[in-house]
Parts: sequence; C-alpha cells; structure tokens
Amino acid sequence: GAVVSQHPSWVICKSGTSVKIECRSLDFQATTMFWYRQFPKQSLMLMATSNEGSKATYEQGVEKDKFLINHASLTLSTLTVTSAHPEDSSFYICSASSAYADLQLITYEQYFGPGTRLTVT
Amino acid sequence: GQNIDQPTEMTATEGAIVQINCTYQTSGFNGLFWYQQHAGEAPTFLSYNVLDGLEEKGRFSSFLSRSKGYSYLLLKELQMKDSASYLCAVRPQYGGSQGNLIFGKGTKLSVKP
Repeated sequence: GAVVSQHPSWVICKSGTSVKIECRSLDFQATTMFWYRQFPKQSLMLMATSNEGSKATYEQGVEKDKFLINHASLTLSTLTVTSAHPEDSSFYICSASSAYADLQLITYEQYFGPGTRLTVT
Repeated sequence: GQNIDQPTEMTATEGAIVQINCTYQTSGFNGLFWYQQHAGEAPTFLSYNVLDGLEEKGRFSSFLSRSKGYSYLLLKELQMKDSASYLCAVRPQYGGSQGNLIFGKGTKLSVKP
C-alpha cells in the first residue's frame, strides 16, 4: 500500500516556541492531506484539510493562525504549531488521500502517517 | 450533526470470535471504514464498505447496512496481537474534501490467553 511518513516522530518543546511537523507521501501524489489530533483515550479529531496549492480548510474550533498548514507540493504538507502551550500537547497524525476507481466510482482512500507526539513543557 | 457510536471496551479470548458494532448518523454517506490502532501508533486500514453486505478479508470481515446506519467488524481466530483499538469511520460526502472521515471514539479490544 501507499506509504506516508511524518517527521519528527516525537518532539519536546518549550511553551511559546513553534514546532513544524512534516507529512510526506513517499510513493504517490496526494492532492489532499488531512491533519488530525488525538488526545489520550480520545478519537481522532480532524483539524484541517489541506489541498495542494490552495489554502487549508480548518474545522470549527481550530485556530488557523495558530496551526499553520502549508501544502506546497503533491508530496509534502507541513503543520506548524505556533506559540505552543502545554494544552497543545497531543498526538498529531496526518493522512494523504489517493484516488482510485471502485465500482466505476472515483473514490478516495486515506493513508495515515505514523504520527508525531508533541509535548510542550 | 454527525455521530458515530461504538462500544468503549471489549474483552475476548484468544482463538475466539468477536464482533464490534458501530452505528452512525451522518449528514451523508459515502463509505464506512474500519481501522486498527495500537497504542501510540497511527491507524492502519482494515476494511471499507460502501454497499450493503459483508466484505471478507482473511480473519477480518465487515458488514454494512445503510438503511439501519449500522456496521460491524468481525474478527475470527483471535490472536494476542489483535489487542488494539478499532476505529469505525464514516465518509459523509462525495468529492468535496476528497475523503474527509469522521471517526468514532474507538473500541479497545483486549485479547486474553
């Protein structure tokens, strides 16, 4: 199957600093990438949808000025957590969407990256 | 609104069969997915249903009834490594954001010897 990588896999930063997380589709071109956040014992919550070459679409309640998303190419999207605070500590997971034909419909499968664990001290 | 319900926890015995149920109420429907997630790791794809019926893939099967807003994941011949959280996810719309998924809270399955 398709492979998606994330870097770094874990990061510890001080409160007030910014952290950049990269998401790459290694063997396919992803026109759409998704960014999720998962707190302990919680489900994945979609933060934003990122389309190559255009501005990201943020879910309700997610601050676009705090979580900067850039999707400059078909294989790379970045999430920058600006002025991080302890409450931003979470597991951040990206996924990349690939289109395929199924039952004569074009549908889209998501492939998840391994996740980035962010701890803000 | 969008709502996906699944049991919080389940326990089963190695070698047995377990069924994890999922009910959903979403604004639209364009497919239901099951993912497996081990602690501290990202989800891995298990199955996909878009039409009613049963999809079988080795030890895993998934069933869908769109009229009832219901799905289940069936795991046979349970192994210890199957201990994980199982996430039910619905894609509520066609096109648009190309596959946006809504996830349930997951069912934590513990397999005992």
